[in-house]
Amino acid sequence: ETGVTQSPTHLIKTRGQQVTLRCSSQSGHNTVSWYQQALGQGPQFIFQYYREEENGRGNFPPRFSGLQFPNYSSELNVNALELDDSALYLCASSLWRLDTQYFGPGTRLTVL
Amino acid sequence: QQQVKQSPQSLIVQKGGISIINCAYENTAFDYFPWYQQFPGKGPALLIAIRPDVSEKKEGRFTISFNKSAKQFSLHIMDSQPGDSATYFCAASLRETSGSRLTFGEGTQLTVNP
Repeated sequence: ETGVTQSPTHLIKTRGQQVTLRCSSQSGHNTVSWYQQALGQGPQFIFQYYREEENGRGNFPPRFSGLQFPNYSSELNVNALELDDSALYLCASSLWRLDTQYFGPGTRLTVL
Repeated sequence: QQQVKQSPQSLIVQKGGISIINCAYENTAFDYFPWYQQFPGKGPALLIAIRPDVSEKKEGRFTISFNKSAKQFSLHIMDSQPGDSATYFCAASLRETSGSRLTFGEGTQLTVNP
């Protein structure tokens, strides 16, 4: 059984650019949630995907968008990057309607 | 609105001692309360979790105490070890029709001195 994997590990972008982060869910898990963790803070919920549709969204603007694929993997896209988008982006997988979420190692995004 | 408040921000304990981290929540509809451990450069790892119908849950050296009337819960780490040095997050979730989302506290940086 493989755990949650994310790519890339680190990423450096400049303000205004666009970025795509990728996540492969744990084997058998059909739900993917994305979180943003700023330095020294707890993770903040961005959105969740199930059956390739967004199910629930936190307080993030529309320039944060996502996709889920038939194999349950997921992408997080951020357009028009801002300096404040610099953070660790975490993907968590789970089974639909079950509470336990398992996190990947994260992607460290730096916006210059 | 911060729905889960965590304290202390940092904690230093001697090896063999007891580490205690506290959290308070506001939303009485929360129905699942996990604790996560995070090492630098890693994602959070689930340690232990509890539901509001139970007042205490123990797994090895880790214990959650839950006080529903006070809307508080805490993590106790018995016989703390240097390898326990990490950041700990409490969280809470509400199983909505759209699935569960975790609301995290701000974290406690635990240092266990040898």
